[in-house]
Amino acid sequence: ETGVTQSPTHLIKTRGQQVTLRCSSQSGHNTVSWYQQALGQGPQFIFQYYREEENGRGNFPPRFSGLQFPNYSSELNVNALELDDSALYLCASSLGGAGIEQYFGPGTRLTVT
Amino acid sequence: QKEVEQNSGPLSVPEGAIASLNCTYSDRGSQSFFWYRQYSGKSPELIMFIYSNGDKEDGRFTAQLNKASQYVSLLIRDSQPSDSATYLCAVKVSNTGNQFYFGTGTSLTVIP
Repeated sequence: ETGVTQSPTHLIKTRGQQVTLRCSSQSGHNTVSWYQQALGQGPQFIFQYYREEENGRGNFPPRFSGLQFPNYSSELNVNALELDDSALYLCASSLGGAGIEQYFGPGTRLTVT
Repeated sequence: QKEVEQNSGPLSVPEGAIASLNCTYSDRGSQSFFWYRQYSGKSPELIMFIYSNGDKEDGRFTAQLNKASQYVSLLIRDSQPSDSATYLCAVKVSNTGNQFYFGTGTSLTVIP
């Protein structure tokens, strides 16, 4: 176990809706990264937060947004859901802005219908 | 262009054999290299990381890095059925801040 938790475990949404996914970092970790993993693919980097500030962003549209809170927990928000957003969403926590060693949570499986 | 390439497999080895997993990357600015194991339906689990050219051993696992050839590999000695999983190679590039690039993974099956 990595100590990283995510909620919910599974989620079913309808196209056009909005969704919020949550992540609690491993104790002592101040950096969280979010990834999208489609079936049969490797994780794709969405963005990273370090000490409540966005610290890097991948090639995802602005409807993917995030927050990090003072306790270093984090949220991923996705607006205007599309069918292609169906995937496993992973958060990974690490210590320090460089985020050298990342430890993943169990993920949230999002299905958009 | 930052690409991480892995042979998707599936790779099958008999129990007790050495499994060899390979990964190539395109960006010469790549700085840190990671191997993750992912069981079906689970999240990736960090196995090893390597920064310097050469070999790094941890138990049954050995990571090998050759920056000149832009190549990183993972050897699993004395393979066990419990090693059956998808192995993901990940690369952190120094000039992109904190973005990790993952390959699509290699599926390994260890046959009892």
